[in-house]
Amino acid sequence: SQELEQSPQSLIVQEGKNLTINCTSSKTLYGLYWYKQKYGEGLIFLMMLQKGGEEKSHEKITAKLDEKKQQSSLHITASQPSHAGIYLCGAAAGTASKLTFGTGTRLQVTL
Amino acid sequence: NAGVTQTPKFQVLKTGQSMTLQCAQDMNHEYMSWYRQDPGMGLRLIHYSVGAGITDQGEVPNGYNVSRSTTEDFPLRLLSAAPSQTSVYFCASSLRGSGRAYNEQFFGPGTRLTVL
Repeated sequence: SQELEQSPQSLIVQEGKNLTINCTSSKTLYGLYWYKQKYGEGLIFLMMLQKGGEEKSHEKITAKLDEKKQQSSLHITASQPSHAGIYLCGAAAGTASKLTFGTGTRLQVTL
Repeated sequence: NAGVTQTPKFQVLKTGQSMTLQCAQDMNHEYMSWYRQDPGMGLRLIHYSVGAGITDQGEVPNGYNVSRSTTEDFPLRLLSAAPSQTSVYFCASSLRGSGRAYNEQFFGPGTRLTVL
């Protein structure tokens, strides 16, 4: 079965700083999802990547998919307190109805 | 559209009790799934469905049953609750993709279940 490892597990950054979260898969990545979860709440869809080399951006968040490395990275530019939460990557295992998730990266943004 | 809705939001059960977690979506999505989220373990797939009348097991199906009689609803039944089933449960849905194309998975707000 596919396993996803996220790094780092937790991150504390000062407001305005940039940061990167990585998601590495044990198998080939075909569909990679990034979600954000605020503490005690549901999952908010951020981006989905499907092709090697694909890069998507939404506001100050950019995600890339490196097919050869079986890895995706999520980069936040000029972090804000609103970026705080848990970031989860999920990989589609043959069908979008079956996602395997990483254990998450907990982000805190300090003033 | 209401999106994906889940009820109840919170539930406390005693060991051995049974209950059904409700999930509904109004987006006409073919795919629906149930996940549980436990500290330090991310989300794990319990059961999933690719269409009405079709269900299959995920990674952690033991102790749970599902059925999909309509496109809109995908209830999760706990047959005899155990403390190990204390968790946060999320329902998700998405459109079927074509070939290797995938679509966004929409998640419900979750049900926080405690089994005493």
